[in-house]
Amino acid sequence: DIQMTQSPSSVSASVGDRVTITCRASQDISSWLAWYQQRPGKAPSLLIFAASTLQGGVPSRFSGSGSGRDFSLTISSLQPEDAATYYCQQAYSSPRISFGQGTRLEIK
Amino acid sequence: QVQLVESGGGLVKPGGSLRLSCAVSGFTFSDYYMTWFRQAPGKGLEWVSDISSTGGRTNYADSVKGRFTISRDNARKSLFLQMNSLTVEDTAVYYCARDRHSSGWFVDWGHGTLVSVSS
Repeated sequence: DIQMTQSPSSVSASVGDRVTITCRASQDISSWLAWYQQRPGKAPSLLIFAASTLQGGVPSRFSGSGSGRDFSLTISSLQPEDAATYYCQQAYSSPRISFGQGTRLEIK
Repeated sequence: QVQLVESGGGLVKPGGSLRLSCAVSGFTFSDYYMTWFRQAPGKGLEWVSDISSTGGRTNYADSVKGRFTISRDNARKSLFLQMNSLTVEDTAVYYCARDRHSSGWFVDWGHGTLVSVSS
């Protein structure tokens, strides 16, 4: 099974800050990576797929990069509504997909 | 618009059974693989099972294999998850989801239904 490891597990930042979350796969997954945002009590929402493609309707302040084993999600200018938990997900071994443990983003 | 609505969750004793349903609308259900995920309280997301568009192919996470059965009724536009021999580790919110492009990315999710396993 492919293990996904996110860091940090939590981060606190101010409105307007640039925030980066990283995700490392236990093996090469090429660009088979997605990022999701999950607000409390809600279902996950797809932000980015294929490592760097922005899902329709997602603000352009979100961006993704990386390939192989190392990936990152960047929020260029943090907004209050970005407070949420973020998950990476690999689809390389679909249907046996797996997620990172999550990064909780708090707004100061 | 696309809607996925789960139901059937509740409180059940260890060793018990529960059947979850996911009713869909807004797309041609019979064209798509469907998937169940779960999320234990305060924990991350876990893939549980998926089923092909015809129901002929199914896959299960090792943690539920032999205890859970996924099925679908394309005429009723519904997805099911029969859960037997439940343990406290199965306590979670269960989500159904659609992979819109058969690519491993999930755009469409239900709101989830809570399954609590406790004596």
